[in-house]
Amino acid sequence: GAVVSQHPSWVICKSGTSVKIECRSLDFQATTMFWYRQFPKQSLMLMATSNEGSKATYEQGVEKDKFLINHASLTLSTLTVTSAHPEDSSFYICSASTPTPGMYEQYFGPGTRLTVT
Amino acid sequence: EDQVTQSPEALRLQEGESSSLNCSYTVSGLRGLFWYRQDPGKGPEFLFTLYSAGEEKEKERLKATLTKKESFLHITAPKPEDSATYLCAVLTLDTGRRALTFGSGTRLQVQP
Repeated sequence: GAVVSQHPSWVICKSGTSVKIECRSLDFQATTMFWYRQFPKQSLMLMATSNEGSKATYEQGVEKDKFLINHASLTLSTLTVTSAHPEDSSFYICSASTPTPGMYEQYFGPGTRLTVT
Repeated sequence: EDQVTQSPEALRLQEGESSSLNCSYTVSGLRGLFWYRQDPGKGPEFLFTLYSAGEEKEKERLKATLTKKESFLHITAPKPEDSATYLCAVLTLDTGRRALTFGSGTRLQVQP
């Protein structure tokens, strides 16, 4: 149980274009989904928290106009990197949390490797 | 500000050589401490959640313990397939945010 998928697993795009990454909870409904970014040999940094049906909450220093997050249903959240630049190249990972009261585990997707050329 | 420090940064063990990984934390209002395993190029895989000091959980060769200031991940008789980066994260509930703060991880290599 608690499986989270991401699509695509890797993507290469040209500078200035936009890229959309999908995150799906396959066997549970996720009221809250999270987006992280991970640079090589570094730990995960939380970018934003999204709750189904409401606006995402971004961490300090994360540009909300550049990283658009939509959580339209209980099983799907999307991250769109707009006007991507080479410095946006990174490993993007989503996670989902079950709505069970008192249970705070986050289950992670396999990640999406973004390369901007 | 919540802080999570993991040590050692890297650890090389021989197969069967037991050891422990450390995660020390400074948080206001700990709501949970989580251990994850991450293989290269993959997302973290959930291992354990610990909610209160004194709590212990086991899974195969892994055992996680929690005190008021730190957590240990004990690996008994490790095998090469246990090689991975082990991440520790703490959860605090801050003005409605439910955010995990991760440590930098311990890269474990188990040699046959």
